[in-house]
Amino acid sequence: KNEVEQSPQNLTAQEGEFITINCSYSVGISALHWLQQHPGGGIVSLFMLSSGKKKHGRLIATINIQEKHSSLHITASHPRDSAVYICAVRSEETSGSRLTFGEGTQLTVNP
Amino acid sequence: KAGVTQTPRYLIKTRGQQVTLSCSPISGHRSVSWYQQTPGQGLQFLFEYFSETQRNKGNFPGRFSGRQFSNSRSEMNVSTLELGDSALYLCASHRGVSTDTQYFGPGTRLTVL
Repeated sequence: KNEVEQSPQNLTAQEGEFITINCSYSVGISALHWLQQHPGGGIVSLFMLSSGKKKHGRLIATINIQEKHSSLHITASHPRDSAVYICAVRSEETSGSRLTFGEGTQLTVNP
Repeated sequence: KAGVTQTPRYLIKTRGQQVTLSCSPISGHRSVSWYQQTPGQGLQFLFEYFSETQRNKGNFPGRFSGRQFSNSRSEMNVSTLELGDSALYLCASHRGVSTDTQYFGPGTRLTVL
Protein backbone atom coordinates (compact mmCIF):
# COMPACT_ATOMS: atom_id res chain seq x y z
CA LYS A 1 0.00 0.00 0.00
CA ASN A 2 1.37 3.39 -0.99
CA GLU A 3 1.99 5.89 1.77
CA VAL A 4 0.06 8.49 -0.23
CA GLU A 5 -3.07 7.64 -2.18
CA GLN A 6 -5.13 9.92 -4.36
CA SER A 7 -8.61 9.61 -5.79
CA PRO A 8 -9.88 9.68 -8.37
CA GLN A 9 -7.06 8.79 -10.77
CA ASN A 10 -8.89 10.42 -13.65
CA LEU A 11 -11.58 13.08 -13.58
CA THR A 12 -13.49 14.69 -16.44
CA ALA A 13 -15.66 17.70 -15.78
CA GLN A 14 -17.62 20.32 -17.66
CA GLU A 15 -16.57 23.93 -17.45
CA GLY A 16 -18.05 25.58 -14.38
CA GLU A 17 -18.33 22.42 -12.28
CA PHE A 18 -17.04 22.15 -8.70
CA ILE A 19 -14.21 19.64 -8.48
CA THR A 20 -12.79 17.72 -5.53
CA ILE A 21 -9.60 15.66 -5.48
CA ASN A 22 -8.80 13.60 -2.41
CA CYS A 23 -5.54 12.55 -0.80
CA SER A 24 -5.07 10.07 2.03
CA TYR A 25 -1.78 9.27 3.70
CA SER A 26 -0.66 6.69 6.21
CA VAL A 27 2.29 8.35 7.97
CA GLY A 28 2.62 11.20 10.40
CA ILE A 29 3.43 14.31 8.45
CA SER A 30 4.85 17.75 9.04
CA ALA A 31 3.46 19.19 5.79
CA LEU A 32 1.32 18.28 2.79
CA HIS A 33 1.76 19.81 -0.63
CA TRP A 34 -0.59 20.09 -3.58
CA LEU A 35 1.20 20.36 -6.92
CA GLN A 36 -0.01 20.99 -10.45
CA GLN A 37 1.72 19.51 -13.49
CA HIS A 38 0.90 20.58 -17.02
CA PRO A 39 1.75 18.62 -20.19
CA GLY A 40 5.45 19.08 -20.86
CA GLY A 41 6.35 18.40 -17.26
CA GLY A 42 6.55 21.69 -15.41
CA ILE A 43 5.37 21.44 -11.80
CA VAL A 44 3.90 24.33 -9.83
CA SER A 45 3.39 24.25 -6.10
CA LEU A 46 -0.21 25.25 -5.33
CA PHE A 47 -0.40 24.86 -1.55
CA MET A 48 1.58 23.72 1.43
CA LEU A 49 -0.55 22.79 4.45
CA SER A 50 0.11 21.60 7.95
CA SER A 51 -3.38 22.29 9.31
CA GLY A 52 -6.74 23.81 8.43
CA LYS A 53 -7.55 25.35 5.12
CA LYS A 54 -5.97 27.60 2.51
CA LYS A 55 -7.55 29.45 -0.42
CA HIS A 56 -6.01 30.96 -3.51
CA GLY A 57 -8.36 32.27 -6.14
CA ARG A 58 -10.66 29.43 -7.20
CA LEU A 59 -8.56 26.81 -5.41
CA ILE A 60 -9.17 25.66 -1.86
CA ALA A 61 -7.13 23.07 0.03
CA THR A 62 -8.10 21.50 3.33
CA ILE A 63 -6.40 19.04 5.62
CA ASN A 64 -7.60 16.90 8.54
CA ILE A 65 -4.53 15.75 10.44
CA GLN A 66 -6.46 13.34 12.70
CA GLU A 67 -8.02 11.57 9.72
CA LYS A 68 -4.84 11.80 7.61
CA HIS A 69 -6.80 13.26 4.71
CA SER A 70 -6.63 16.30 2.48
CA SER A 71 -8.82 17.63 -0.30
CA LEU A 72 -8.21 20.03 -3.15
CA HIS A 73 -11.28 21.84 -4.45
CA ILE A 74 -11.59 23.83 -7.65
CA THR A 75 -14.60 26.10 -7.91
CA ALA A 76 -15.99 27.21 -11.28
CA SER A 77 -13.60 24.94 -13.16
CA HIS A 78 -12.15 26.09 -16.47
CA PRO A 79 -10.43 24.24 -19.34
CA ARG A 80 -7.12 25.84 -18.32
CA ASP A 81 -7.38 23.90 -15.04
CA SER A 82 -6.78 20.70 -17.05
CA ALA A 83 -3.59 19.21 -15.62
CA VAL A 84 -2.32 16.50 -13.32
CA TYR A 85 -2.75 17.32 -9.63
CA ILE A 86 -0.32 15.65 -7.26
CA CYS A 87 -0.45 15.34 -3.49
CA ALA A 88 2.90 15.04 -1.68
CA VAL A 89 3.75 14.69 2.00
CA ARG A 90 6.79 15.39 4.12
CA SER A 91 7.00 12.77 6.83
CA GLU A 92 7.54 14.05 10.38
CA GLU A 93 10.25 11.41 10.71
CA THR A 94 12.21 12.76 7.76
CA SER A 95 14.95 15.30 8.02
CA GLY A 96 15.24 17.81 5.24
CA SER A 97 12.66 18.26 2.51
CA ARG A 98 12.12 14.72 1.25
CA LEU A 99 8.65 14.38 -0.27
CA THR A 100 6.59 11.24 -0.92
CA PHE A 101 4.12 11.60 -3.76
CA GLY A 102 0.72 10.28 -4.69
CA GLU A 103 0.16 8.92 -8.18
CA GLY A 104 -1.62 12.05 -9.33
CA THR A 105 -5.09 12.87 -10.60
CA GLN A 106 -5.50 13.65 -14.28
CA LEU A 107 -8.14 16.38 -14.55
CA THR A 108 -9.75 17.28 -17.87
CA VAL A 109 -12.18 20.17 -17.99
CA ASN A 110 -14.21 20.36 -21.18
CA PRO A 111 -15.65 23.64 -22.48
CA LYS B 1 13.68 36.81 -9.95
CA ALA B 2 14.64 34.01 -12.34
CA GLY B 3 13.14 30.58 -11.69
CA VAL B 4 14.86 27.25 -11.34
CA THR B 5 16.69 26.30 -14.52
CA GLN B 6 17.77 22.86 -15.66
CA THR B 7 20.11 21.90 -18.45
CA PRO B 8 19.92 20.21 -20.79
CA ARG B 9 16.17 20.00 -21.34
CA TYR B 10 16.38 16.87 -23.47
CA LEU B 11 19.02 14.19 -23.67
CA ILE B 12 19.39 10.91 -25.53
CA LYS B 13 21.98 8.40 -24.35
CA THR B 14 22.68 4.72 -24.91
CA ARG B 15 22.91 1.95 -22.33
CA GLY B 16 26.17 1.90 -20.45
CA GLN B 17 26.90 5.59 -20.90
CA GLN B 18 26.91 8.10 -18.11
CA VAL B 19 25.11 11.42 -17.90
CA THR B 20 25.33 14.64 -15.88
CA LEU B 21 22.36 16.92 -15.36
CA SER B 22 22.55 20.44 -13.99
CA CYS B 23 20.21 22.50 -11.85
CA SER B 24 20.53 26.19 -11.00
CA PRO B 25 18.28 27.18 -8.07
CA ILE B 26 16.51 30.45 -7.49
CA SER B 27 18.93 33.08 -6.23
CA GLY B 28 19.19 32.86 -2.45
CA HIS B 29 17.93 29.29 -2.26
CA ARG B 30 20.38 26.96 -0.56
CA SER B 31 18.53 23.66 -0.85
CA VAL B 32 18.19 21.62 -4.02
CA SER B 33 16.23 18.38 -4.26
CA TRP B 34 16.20 15.98 -7.20
CA TYR B 35 13.28 13.81 -8.29
CA GLN B 36 12.73 11.15 -10.93
CA GLN B 37 9.38 10.83 -12.69
CA THR B 38 8.45 7.75 -14.74
CA PRO B 39 5.07 6.53 -15.99
CA GLY B 40 5.36 3.37 -13.91
CA GLN B 41 6.71 4.69 -10.60
CA GLY B 42 5.50 8.28 -10.65
CA LEU B 43 7.54 10.88 -8.81
CA GLN B 44 10.28 9.59 -6.55
CA PHE B 45 12.77 11.44 -4.37
CA LEU B 46 16.43 11.01 -5.33
CA PHE B 47 18.40 13.25 -2.95
CA GLU B 48 18.57 16.66 -1.35
CA TYR B 49 21.55 18.96 -0.98
CA PHE B 50 21.87 21.86 1.43
CA SER B 51 24.97 24.03 1.70
CA GLU B 52 27.02 21.53 -0.36
CA THR B 53 26.07 18.60 1.90
CA GLN B 54 23.73 15.74 1.07
CA ARG B 55 20.94 16.07 3.62
CA ASN B 56 18.73 13.19 2.49
CA LYS B 57 18.87 10.30 0.05
CA GLY B 58 16.13 8.22 -1.57
CA ASN B 59 16.13 4.53 -2.39
CA PHE B 60 18.13 4.56 -5.59
CA PRO B 61 21.24 2.55 -6.47
CA GLY B 62 24.70 3.99 -6.12
CA ARG B 63 24.80 4.70 -9.87
CA PHE B 64 22.84 7.83 -9.00
CA SER B 65 24.93 10.51 -7.35
CA GLY B 66 24.92 14.22 -6.94
CA ARG B 67 26.75 17.21 -5.61
CA GLN B 68 26.21 20.85 -4.84
CA PHE B 69 28.59 23.71 -5.40
CA SER B 70 29.26 26.75 -3.24
CA ASN B 71 26.92 28.85 -5.42
CA SER B 72 24.13 26.31 -4.68
CA ARG B 73 24.06 24.97 -8.23
CA SER B 74 23.68 21.23 -8.22
CA GLU B 75 24.50 18.40 -10.56
CA MET B 76 23.34 14.82 -10.60
CA ASN B 77 25.15 12.03 -12.32
CA VAL B 78 23.93 8.65 -13.48
CA SER B 79 26.58 6.12 -14.43
CA THR B 80 26.17 2.95 -16.47
CA LEU B 81 22.78 3.96 -17.81
CA GLU B 82 20.00 1.40 -18.04
CA LEU B 83 16.84 1.52 -20.15
CA GLY B 84 14.83 1.99 -16.97
CA ASP B 85 16.62 5.25 -16.24
CA SER B 86 14.60 6.90 -19.01
CA ALA B 87 12.60 9.50 -17.14
CA LEU B 88 11.91 13.13 -16.47
CA TYR B 89 14.40 14.39 -13.90
CA LEU B 90 13.19 17.36 -11.90
CA CYS B 91 14.99 19.52 -9.44
CA ALA B 92 13.41 21.84 -6.91
CA SER B 93 14.89 24.55 -4.75
CA HIS B 94 13.95 26.39 -1.59
CA ARG B 95 15.61 28.64 0.95
CA GLY B 96 16.65 25.82 3.23
CA VAL B 97 13.97 25.56 5.87
CA SER B 98 12.38 22.13 5.46
CA THR B 99 8.83 23.48 5.51
CA ASP B 100 9.50 26.01 2.74
CA THR B 101 7.62 25.81 -0.55
CA GLN B 102 9.70 24.02 -3.17
CA TYR B 103 10.02 25.62 -6.59
CA PHE B 104 10.42 23.16 -9.43
CA GLY B 105 12.48 23.46 -12.57
CA PRO B 106 11.16 22.44 -16.00
CA GLY B 107 12.96 19.11 -15.90
CA THR B 108 15.38 17.21 -18.07
CA ARG B 109 13.85 14.50 -20.26
CA LEU B 110 16.39 11.63 -20.46
CA THR B 111 15.90 8.86 -22.99
CA VAL B 112 18.15 5.81 -22.80
CA LEU B 113 18.31 3.68 -25.95
